[in-house]
Amino acid sequence: QQPVQSPQAVILREGEDAVINCSSSKALYSVHWYRQKHGEAPVFLMILLKGGEQKGHEKISASFNEKKQQSSLYLTASQLSYSGTYFCGTATSGTYKYIFGTGTRLKVLA
Amino acid sequence: EAQVTQNPRYLITVTGKKLTVTCSQNMNHEYMSWYRQDPGLGLRQIYYSMNVEVTDKGDVPEGYKVSRKEKRNFPLILESPSPNQTSLYFCASSFSGATEAFFGQGTRLTVV
Repeated sequence: QQPVQSPQAVILREGEDAVINCSSSKALYSVHWYRQKHGEAPVFLMILLKGGEQKGHEKISASFNEKKQQSSLYLTASQLSYSGTYFCGTATSGTYKYIFGTGTRLKVLA
Repeated sequence: EAQVTQNPRYLITVTGKKLTVTCSQNMNHEYMSWYRQDPGLGLRQIYYSMNVEVTDKGDVPEGYKVSRKEKRNFPLILESPSPNQTSLYFCASSFSGATEAFFGQGTRLTVV
């Protein structure tokens, strides 16, 4: 079963913040975040492993709560280049399967 | 340059005509996988491979075959394509299933 992402879509003005959530019904070993621009391949943003860590990448950071099987992606002071569809990808303990979430479409307006 | 190369980028074919989409990576990655992307459904894993000669089903394997005879190559085979396999396909590779994945540029397949 695919992880559920929320919101499904969000529109921001430049400089505004956004949070994208990813929730799984299965125990997670790791969570990855990717951004895909229209007509292009997904591009890796960051990975979070079991341990509840939080990571940052410029103005984009993420957290992983393994007890709740949830991860959140935080985009601060959004830029036009942040527009795209964001996917969480999950690796489940005990399997080599990799499952992506349903995606969140984000559009940043000038 | 580190990359994952898929071919062809675009393909229109007829129902039942066998086809192969090739995928090659030059990063010595152990883990390779295939995904299909459909509107509203995101990316769904078709098959994955942990190493040479080791493959396993993802979430949507029906109608597809794969092989991993060499570390760098992971072709996707559709023995008898059907219209419901019309989709955008991505190949990806990584050191393991839990590390950064690099994606190919995608293959847009239309089955008529």
